Amino acid sequence: GAGVSQSPSNKVTEKGKDVELRCDPISGHTALYWYRQSLGQGLEFLIYFQGNSAPDKSGLPSDRFSAERTGGSVSTLTIQRTQQEDSAVYLCASSSDRNEKLFFGSGTQLSVL
Amino acid sequence: DQQVKQNSPSLSVQEGRISILNCDYTNSMFDYFLWYKKYPAEGPTFLISISSIKDKNEDGRFTVFLNKSAKHLSLHIVPSQPGDSAVYFCAARGTASKLTFGTGTRLQVTL
Repeated sequence: GAGVSQSPSNKVTEKGKDVELRCDPISGHTALYWYRQSLGQGLEFLIYFQGNSAPDKSGLPSDRFSAERTGGSVSTLTIQRTQQEDSAVYLCASSSDRNEKLFFGSGTQLSVL
Repeated sequence: DQQVKQNSPSLSVQEGRISILNCDYTNSMFDYFLWYKKYPAEGPTFLISISSIKDKNEDGRFTVFLNKSAKHLSLHIVPSQPGDSAVYFCAARGTASKLTFGTGTRLQVTL
């Protein structure tokens, strides 16, 4: 597709369940980012993939959060044993290199009940 | 530790007037700065950027100013239009390559 695609657009889950969020970056983009925006907050960095380099996981808030990027393209963000404070909009972005602007998807609205 | 700060959570400006959105940063290693605009239920979209070797970049109605000694940048929108009403995020990038975002300023352009 022409832009960054994220699925699902909305996810409602029960506390304690695992969730997987998917991101399809723009074709050919080597860099992929995950951010989240909690209600009334800014964009919080989670994880960054650049080509074949080891990902920068410094923003992951706990070991319940993990992400992978298969084949240098699609990425999955997994949250295990979800908690209510995980409720947020999870945004994925991609860029062609470190100097390029990021292109964001529309996000996944995660609600943990 | 908020390295990029937008101290005004909201701003209201009349149509036709100038909107000035401010951003401060603390990390002197930041070398590239960007502004993003976000409408509800959409992802942020890139607006304008500036490298640390410049102090001004202009694109149509949008101008970004960078004051490195003060670690301050600002976005000027003139003339402001109702369609400019959105949340504006300032972002900065250093050698680590990841973008650090501010908390955003909600701009409301009134008729």
